[in-house]
Amino acid sequence: RKEVEQDPGPFNVPEGATVAFNCTYSNSASQSFFWYRQDCRKEPKLLMSVYSSGNEDGRFTAQLNRASQYISLLIRDSKLSDSATYLCVVNSMDSSYKLIFGSGTRLLVRP
Amino acid sequence: GAVVSQHPSWVICKSGTSVKIECRSLDFQATTMFWYRQFPKQSLMLMATSNEGSKATYEQGVEKDKFLINHASLTLSTLTVTSAHPEDSSFYICSADRDSGNTIYFGEGSWLTVV
Repeated sequence: RKEVEQDPGPFNVPEGATVAFNCTYSNSASQSFFWYRQDCRKEPKLLMSVYSSGNEDGRFTAQLNRASQYISLLIRDSKLSDSATYLCVVNSMDSSYKLIFGSGTRLLVRP
Repeated sequence: GAVVSQHPSWVICKSGTSVKIECRSLDFQATTMFWYRQFPKQSLMLMATSNEGSKATYEQGVEKDKFLINHASLTLSTLTVTSAHPEDSSFYICSADRDSGNTIYFGEGSWLTVV
């Protein structure tokens, strides 16, 4: 079983739509959680951290369910510029602060 | 602007040759840097943790004699792919740990093609 699993998509949605991505992780001891965005052939960039109480940043809302080992990302009012691959990332807080990446969910926002 | 810089962005080399990729932290000191590899349509896979002044820690299945990592200063880590083969063609990307794990920055990545 992969340490971080995501639906690869692609999710093909019209502008203005609301879309949700899900992610599960296997290590119950994981401490930190993130969503990264990766554009084609570019490096990943941090979209937002995910906190236990849930957090929102503009059109983006992240949720964490530790009991189910489940992370979600909700994007409201999708823009064309949101088209990218969204990576669920878990930081297993061992001594090396390693980031473990999911394979990503691809989002295509069409006009 | 970028806080972690990688060079080169693109490199094509012949089978059997070695290629060095540099990762620099631009305005902070990074005692720990990480090297990842990403094949098309796959996730980033951690290859190794680069520790300034000591040996790198390699992930299971990564050959340390093939992927040489040197972290000789607090702002520079290098990854050398030795005796490269076409199957080593991939996107190699580094990250640097700022603020002890609270902020991790990625370099722009390096595309390696071995022909």
